[in-house]
Amino acid sequence: ETGVTQTPRHLVMGMTNKKSLKCEQHLGHNAMYWYKQSAKKPLELMFVYNFKEQTENNSVPSRFSPECPNSSHLFLHLHTLQPEDSALYLCASSQGDRSNEKLFFGSGTQLSVL
Amino acid sequence: DQQVKQNSPSLSVQEGRISILNCDYTNSMFDYFLWYKKYPAEGPTFLISISSIKDKNEDGRFTVFLNKSAKHLSLHIVPSQPGDSAVYFCAASEAGANSKLTFGKGITLSVRP
Repeated sequence: ETGVTQTPRHLVMGMTNKKSLKCEQHLGHNAMYWYKQSAKKPLELMFVYNFKEQTENNSVPSRFSPECPNSSHLFLHLHTLQPEDSALYLCASSQGDRSNEKLFFGSGTQLSVL
Repeated sequence: DQQVKQNSPSLSVQEGRISILNCDYTNSMFDYFLWYKKYPAEGPTFLISISSIKDKNEDGRFTVFLNKSAKHLSLHIVPSQPGDSAVYFCAASEAGANSKLTFGKGITLSVRP
């Protein structure tokens, strides 16, 4: 069983669809993250949760809505996305949310918006 | 404006030789640096890190060097192995709690058998 599991691995959706990405960590960590990786761009931090509380929202459009019901689960709800939102969405976790924490990433969800 | 720059998108080296992956940064407040490695269809995994109070950190075949005055760090892999073929991301953060990591675009390393 891997430390951080993301589902689905691939997702194709239309601009009017509503879908959710799921992330689960089995490492006993307290912090969870959503990152976006677009082609030929650096990983961009989207959201940070520490002990289920959101501590960072990196100016992400409201069509992306995170949810963290507990320290082990993290969701990213998607609604009325744009084609430019097509990217690899990576979930990560760490023991805490301090700057020197190692991040443990999931395998990501490759999202295509048509 | 990118604060962490990996200007070379790719590098190809012969098995057994040294791989040198470079990273430059512009933010003088960065004081902690990490390298992550990513295989296709997998998430990035932590490789090695260095604090600004050091100029070198070694872990087996991997060594990271930090030149604070030049705002430059490099990852040396020696000897390089075909299994090292992956994308390598440089990342940096400022001191203090709740500080986010800033990543570079990544360098694709290919190690030829």
